[in-house]
Amino acid sequence: GAGVSQSPSNKVTEKGKDVELRCDPISGHTALYWYRQSLGQGLEFLIYFQGNSAPDKSGLPSDRFSAERTGGSVSTLTIQRTQQEDSAVYLCASSSLSPVKGTDTQYFGPGTRLTVL
Amino acid sequence: GNSVTQMEGPVTLSEEAFLTINCTYTATGYPSLFWYVQYPGEGLQLLLKATKADDKGSNKGFEATYRKETTSFHLEKGSVQVSDSAVYFCALSSYGNKLVFGAGTILRVKS
Repeated sequence: GAGVSQSPSNKVTEKGKDVELRCDPISGHTALYWYRQSLGQGLEFLIYFQGNSAPDKSGLPSDRFSAERTGGSVSTLTIQRTQQEDSAVYLCASSSLSPVKGTDTQYFGPGTRLTVL
Repeated sequence: GNSVTQMEGPVTLSEEAFLTINCTYTATGYPSLFWYVQYPGEGLQLLLKATKADDKGSNKGFEATYRKETTSFHLEKGSVQVSDSAVYFCALSSYGNKLVFGAGTILRVKS
């Protein structure tokens, strides 16, 4: 595809339920990132994948949050036992890392708006 | 750790006014610097970037220069339009790593 895609675009769930958010990066991009955008906290990094491994998970807020990436492509962010404070827009980005500095621009998807009732 | 500080908004300007949005950063090493823009109801879009000291990024009439001596990357535009109304985010990235964003600045341009 031409850009990063995310699904669903909107998700409303009840407190305590599990949710899965999906990200399809730009074809050929080896790096994939998840961020969260909320009113109180701004834009926060969650996790970074290089290929299928996650060298940086430092932004995951709790052990209720997990993510995986398969085939070096699609990624899924899972939130277990959702809480109201998890309500936010979850953004995915991808980039094509290169040994040449300057090619690490991250391109963002449209986001998934999660509302926990 | 790395951090970005940008001027608080909202910034309200009349059409054709000059725009400056200040951004300063703290980082180890030599980060890349970015301005992203989020138009109402849309996702984050890269506006411009600079990857080394004294580089100037430019796009759509916007410019920003990577100033290592003042650790700044201020966004400027000579004549804003109503269509520039959006939220602007300054960000940095140490090579291959996560983006660290500023809090965002809301720009409102009146006709």
